[in-house]
Amino acid sequence: EILLTQSPGTLSLSPGERATLSCRASQSVSNNYLAWYQQKPGQPPRLLIYGASYRATGIPDRFSGSGSGTDFTLSISRLEPEDFAVYYCQHYVSSSPMYTFGQGSKLEIK
Amino acid sequence: QVKLQESGPGLVNPSGTLSLTCSISGGAVSSSNWWSWVRQSPRKGLEWIGEIYHNGETYYNPSLKSRVTISADKSKNQFSLILTSVTAADTAVYYCARRRRFGDLFAFDIWGQGTMVIVSS
Repeated sequence: EILLTQSPGTLSLSPGERATLSCRASQSVSNNYLAWYQQKPGQPPRLLIYGASYRATGIPDRFSGSGSGTDFTLSISRLEPEDFAVYYCQHYVSSSPMYTFGQGSKLEIK
Repeated sequence: QVKLQESGPGLVNPSGTLSLTCSISGGAVSSSNWWSWVRQSPRKGLEWIGEIYHNGETYYNPSLKSRVTISADKSKNQFSLILTSVTAADTAVYYCARRRRFGDLFAFDIWGQGTMVIVSS
């Protein structure tokens, strides 16, 4: 089972700043089966990025995903007030199948 | 626009059976998507439980496989989760979600609002 470790646990930034969140896999992720989700209190996760770098429908272009192998990054270029939330990465193994999530990174207002 | 809505008891007795249903609107359970259950607890975070395809094919998380059954009812356009022999560790918010195919890629693109299930006597 591939484990996903996200960092930092909490990131404190101000609106307008750039956020960079990391997701590291314990083994290489095949075919970039890596997605990112945003979750706000009392709401379900919302798909932001799939395939490591493809934005889901309706996601603003200030959100971008990158990486390959074991290291992946979610970047938010200019933080808006509504971007402060918890972010999760998620991996998919096609052969099983099996899905695992990272423990989350909280983005809070400084 | 596809929407998902979970329903079921919010309280289950220890050693009992948890049973939840996900109703689909704006789409069909018989469509070429995977229909999944995911739960979230402070202890374990987000945890995938299992999924069902329109042809009835199912896959389960190995850690839960012995206790989980997911089924679909095309006439009611819904799918269901049964989790047996529950303990306090099964207390969580339970989400139903659609796993959609994007070419050769996959992701959970639509989620229900979630339902809180507490295991307690």
